[in-house]
Amino acid sequence: SYVLTQPPSVSVAPGQTARITCGGNNIGSKSVHWYQQKPGQAPVLVVYDDSDRPSGIPERFSGSNSGNTATLTISRVEAGDEADYYCQVWDSSSDLRGVFGGGTKLTVL
Amino acid sequence: EVQLVESGGGLVQPGGSLRLSCAASGFTFSSYWMSWVRQAPGKGLEWVANIKQDGSEKYYVDSVKGRFTISRDNAKNSLYLQMNSLRAEDTAVYYCARGDIVVVVAPFDYWGQGTLVTVSS
Repeated sequence: SYVLTQPPSVSVAPGQTARITCGGNNIGSKSVHWYQQKPGQAPVLVVYDDSDRPSGIPERFSGSNSGNTATLTISRVEAGDEADYYCQVWDSSSDLRGVFGGGTKLTVL
Repeated sequence: EVQLVESGGGLVQPGGSLRLSCAASGFTFSSYWMSWVRQAPGKGLEWVANIKQDGSEKYYVDSVKGRFTISRDNAKNSLYLQMNSLRAEDTAVYYCARGDIVVVVAPFDYWGQGTLVTVSS
């Protein structure tokens, strides 16, 4: 089965840039979606199809995907960005299934 | 405004059954792929199942195959998850999530607030 690997935690000071990686075998050939989840809340889509942003998501959120790594980049980090972030793809190698990474806790110092 | 409201969660004994519902509003429900995603306490997200617009295609994560059944009633704008032979490891918040009209490999752009299922004796 397809596996997505994320670092458990990332820490960054306010105003700096946070980069959260998502590793997977040839993930560059798949469309990667990113979700933000704050405590007690449902996830929110922040980046889809590697690098597109839904309406209402700040331009500070961006994404890239190549080779075996996809990256969510949050520029000019704010305290309100502190949350868990999950990458997600669809794997159709055998039967169709959704796959999430294990999640990354972003801490704003 | 798109809204997804889950219901039906609760406490159930191991081996028991539960049926979750998701009431959709604010969009043409019958036009979208729909999914269930769960999150065990303190853990990450796990996709559970999804269903095509007309119900003709359904996919499941291996751990629930043969025990869970996803279905929908487009006339009632509702999504369901019938859960049988429940195990302790099925304990989680279950979210209803909207997919796409055309592309099955699409993101989940709207989520409900979730309903908690606890499997315990």
